[in-house]
Amino acid sequence: GAVVSQHPSRVICKSGTSVKIECRSLDFQATTMFWYRQFPKQSLMLMATSNEGSKATYEQGVEKDKFLINHASLTLSTLTVTSAHPEDSSFYICSATDRGFGIASETQYFGPGTRLLVL
Amino acid sequence: QKEVEQDPGPLSVPEGAIVSLNCTYSNSAFQYFMWYRQYSRKGPELLMYTYSSGNKEDGRFTAQVDKSSKYISLFIRDSQPSDSATYLCAMNPKTGFQKLVFGTGTRLLVSP
Repeated sequence: GAVVSQHPSRVICKSGTSVKIECRSLDFQATTMFWYRQFPKQSLMLMATSNEGSKATYEQGVEKDKFLINHASLTLSTLTVTSAHPEDSSFYICSATDRGFGIASETQYFGPGTRLLVL
Repeated sequence: QKEVEQDPGPLSVPEGAIVSLNCTYSNSAFQYFMWYRQYSRKGPELLMYTYSSGNKEDGRFTAQVDKSSKYISLFIRDSQPSDSATYLCAMNPKTGFQKLVFGTGTRLLVSP
């Protein structure tokens, strides 16, 4: 149980284009979804927290107009990198928490990640 | 000072060794503690989660929490080359507060 998928797994795009990444919880309803960015050999950097049906909460220093997050249902959140530039190249990972109560609701289940390369 | 400190390693051990991975933290409000394993170019995988102080065992893995010392550990018995990965500790302070604070991760290398 608690499987999270991401699509695409990798994407290469030209500078100036927009890229959409999907995050789905496959076998549970996600109360909250999180978007992280990870640079090589570094830990996860939280970008934003997203609750179904409401606006995402962005971490300090993350441009909300550049990284658009939509959480339309309890099983789907999307991250759109608008007007991508080479410095946006990174590994983007989503996670989700279970709608259930108890200790499981504190744990995050991660997707496999999306590798973005902007040329 | 970071809220969660974790030695980045790498930690190199021979196959079959007992591995000890550790994190220290400064926020005494943390109550939920997790260990994730991340293989290169993959998303983190939840290994263990514990609430408050004590031990929890799952197969070859044992998670230990000492709240008085603000210290958590993950022990891996009979380590295998397939255990080679980065291990991240994570924690959060209370029910319903779902934003985790992560350590930087320890890279483990198990040689055959």
